[in-house]
Amino acid sequence: DGGITQSPKYLFRKEGQNVTLSCEQNLNHDAMYWYRQDPGQGLRLIYYSQIVNDFQKGDIAEGYSVSREKKESFPLTVTSAQKNPTAFYLCASSQLAVQETQYFGPGTRLLVL
Amino acid sequence: KNEVEQSPQNLTAQEGEFITINCSYSVGISALHWLQQHPGGGIVSLFMLSSGKKKHGRLIATINIQEKHSSLHITASHPRDSAVYICAVYSVADMRFGAGTRLTVKP
Repeated sequence: DGGITQSPKYLFRKEGQNVTLSCEQNLNHDAMYWYRQDPGQGLRLIYYSQIVNDFQKGDIAEGYSVSREKKESFPLTVTSAQKNPTAFYLCASSQLAVQETQYFGPGTRLLVL
Repeated sequence: KNEVEQSPQNLTAQEGEFITINCSYSVGISALHWLQQHPGGGIVSLFMLSSGKKKHGRLIATINIQEKHSSLHITASHPRDSAVYICAVYSVADMRFGAGTRLTVKP
């Protein structure tokens, strides 16, 4: 079945550690996105990529990094510079650019201990 | 003020009731997206619309571009409709999300 997978579902991190969240899609979509969701707030865009080897900062990119070496993969690294990393992280993809319907992965819940 | 406002924030209904969730936005948009987020966190796309009205099963979405307003209606609500409903607006190379409306439908 086509879709988007994220792993792990839950992730615990000690302060000062970098962690990488996985996002893979087999929909042959060009564009991929990372969002952060905090309780009571709307989704906020961290990074997005419209094509392989290219990505753009979203509204809250500080403390995060991404790579897009393959069309189907868009991993997100939460670095130690991110002061408040505990959140729910959602990956999405779309056929082309922003205005296309986005398909979401199941999310990764990150908890910093 | 948030560019995308949803109301109500929380909504509790009895099974069978007609539900309306509202979304107002302050920016010019090219399209609006209604999303459903289940308790486990997964998000499903419901509708994407830029004018008029769309219907899928018991769900109906309308948009009024001039008034910058959209509504999501659920007819004959059911406990399995319990979820957070999120409105997202798209303009050129930009997107904004509402904070969501938490719907609980009681049997």
